[in-house]
Amino acid sequence: QKEVEQNSGPLSVPEGAIASLNCTYSDRGSQSFFWYRQYSGKSPELIMSIYSNGDKEDGRFTAQLNKASQYVSLLIRDSQPSDSATYLCAVKKGGGTSYGKLTFGQGTILTVHP
Amino acid sequence: DVKVTQSSRYLVKRTGEKVFLECVQDMDHENMFWYRQDPGLGLRLIYFSYDVKMKEKGDIPEGYSVSREKKERFSLILESASTNQTSMYLCASSLYLGEANYGYTFGSGTRLTVV
Repeated sequence: QKEVEQNSGPLSVPEGAIASLNCTYSDRGSQSFFWYRQYSGKSPELIMSIYSNGDKEDGRFTAQLNKASQYVSLLIRDSQPSDSATYLCAVKKGGGTSYGKLTFGQGTILTVHP
Repeated sequence: DVKVTQSSRYLVKRTGEKVFLECVQDMDHENMFWYRQDPGLGLRLIYFSYDVKMKEKGDIPEGYSVSREKKERFSLILESASTNQTSMYLCASSLYLGEANYGYTFGSGTRLTVV
């Protein structure tokens, strides 16, 4: 089992729709969860972080965390063509020797079509 | 804004060459990381450093070494480049305070081609 798994995609949604991106993780001791967006040929950029169970909203983005189910998701409301990118889920394990290391999922390619 | 600067955007090297990839961050971050990113394999951690002169192996350290002589600079060294090291190399840094939760800031990446 991979440490961090994302829905394989690619995911295609029409402009204005809600895009839902999902991620599961295997280590119950994981503490912090991040979503990165990566445009083609560019490096990843951090768009959301979440640490506690529940929802966290930032503009059109909502991150959802359920530690009991070891599940984290990202919802993008009112999707725009500029949201077309690869979305990476990243998880930070707990423990004093983690040094903030993140483990990344394989990424989900999102395409928003006009 | 935190800036993580990678010295080269594109590099072409010959098999057997010693290759240096440089990364500099300007926000006094303790942690620095080197990843490579390949289609279908995602981001894989090569090495990381949590302090000057301190380094830890990641998941795929074979064929690589690192150097961190100053807090702001973290270098990745390919001792003898091989074609299977053709990849996108990404440097990242992060703040670390105990169990505090901080994400990475990535550099713009170096696309290395070994011929």
